[in-house]
Amino acid sequence: QQPVQSPQAVILREGEDAVINCSSSKALYSVHWYRQKHGEAPVFLMILLKGGEQKGHDKISASFNEKKQQSSLYLTASQLSYSGTYFCGTEADFVNFGNEKLTFGTGTRLTIIP
Amino acid sequence: DAGITQSPRYKITETGRQVTLMCHQTWSHSYMFWYRQDLGHGLRLIYYSAAADITDKGEVPDGYVVSRSKTENFPLTLESATRSQTSVYFCASCYRDSTKAFFGQGTRLTVV
Repeated sequence: QQPVQSPQAVILREGEDAVINCSSSKALYSVHWYRQKHGEAPVFLMILLKGGEQKGHDKISASFNEKKQQSSLYLTASQLSYSGTYFCGTEADFVNFGNEKLTFGTGTRLTIIP
Repeated sequence: DAGITQSPRYKITETGRQVTLMCHQTWSHSYMFWYRQDLGHGLRLIYYSAAADITDKGEVPDGYVVSRSKTENFPLTLESATRSQTSVYFCASCYRDSTKAFFGQGTRLTVV
């Protein structure tokens, strides 16, 4: 079952902040975040593992609340290069759900305008 | 060159024909995946493999067959293509579970 992402699309002006949410109905072991530019393959951004950590690099960071089975991706002071579709991918907790592997959400299309 | 490559990049086939999409990676990653990407559905997992000779179904396996006789190759076969299988197909690999996945450039398949 795919994780649910929100919003489906967002338009920002350069310099504004954005938050993209990802939630699952299953207990999670990890959450991945990827960005895909139009006509290209998805590219890895970061992984968050069970333990409720928060990670980040540059102005893109993410949090993972394993109790709520949710993750959020934070983009601050957005740049034109941040435009694209963002996907969260989840790996279910093996103990409870066996061997489920990397499953992606439906994506959030982010458009940054000058 | 090292990496993950898919072939062909573009394919047009007729309904009912068998078609195989190839995926090759040079890193000796254990895990390999096949996804299809359709508007409104994001990336949906078709099949995955944890190692050579070990494969398992994903969310949308019907109409597809996979094999993995060698670690580096993970071909996806549509046994009898249907128009609903028109899509962009991505192959991905990762070293082990819970590590970053690397995606191939995709194969755009059109079934007419």
